[in-house]
Amino acid sequence: GAVVSQHPSRVICKSGTSVKIECRSLDFQATTMFWYRQFPKQSLMLMATSNEGSKATYEQGVEKDKFLINHASLTLSTLTVTSAHPEDSSFYICSATRQGRAGANVLTFGAGSRLTVL
Amino acid sequence: GEDVEQSLFLSVREGDSSVINCTYTDSSSTYLYWYKQEPGAGLQLLTYIFSNMDMKQDQRLTVLLNKKDKHLSLRIADTQTGDSAIYFCAEETGGFKTIFGAGTRLFVKA
Repeated sequence: GAVVSQHPSRVICKSGTSVKIECRSLDFQATTMFWYRQFPKQSLMLMATSNEGSKATYEQGVEKDKFLINHASLTLSTLTVTSAHPEDSSFYICSATRQGRAGANVLTFGAGSRLTVL
Repeated sequence: GEDVEQSLFLSVREGDSSVINCTYTDSSSTYLYWYKQEPGAGLQLLTYIFSNMDMKQDQRLTVLLNKKDKHLSLRIADTQTGDSAIYFCAEETGGFKTIFGAGTRLFVKA
């Protein structure tokens, strides 16, 4: 079945540094990938939609200069948290879209990356 | 705007049926989904239903859709301890966007 690999699964960094998270679709091509942020015991908050070969579309309230998204190929999207601060600590999840049976837009999720900024 | 609501907690005994309910607001949704999230993991697609259907069964899972009331439910028969997780209801809106509910935390007591 479709697999999305997300790396790293956990990262701890110092305040002010940048962190890159990778999201790869392993056995299918994903023209569209999504990045979410999840706070403890809360739902996923869509941060941005990443389209291969074009600029990402950010949701309202998400700083595009803070959360840099690059979707350079049909199997890889990256999220870079620049100049990270403790309030950026969160669980970041990516998903890739593919067509399921009967045309449903099926999202396959990565396992998530837990970022802790000290 | 679009909104998906679901109750936050559900507790059942092992072997009983679990019913998780969800309401949504976008009447133009074409597909509605149920995802499962285990601790520290990403989301796993459980099942989905096309909006012109009112029921879908897949082994222990039964999805009921009342499009008039914009109500979706997930029934898990013979609930097991391994079913303990957070279950997210989601609706697909235009442009491939999927709106998620806050998730229902299912506790299964042995």
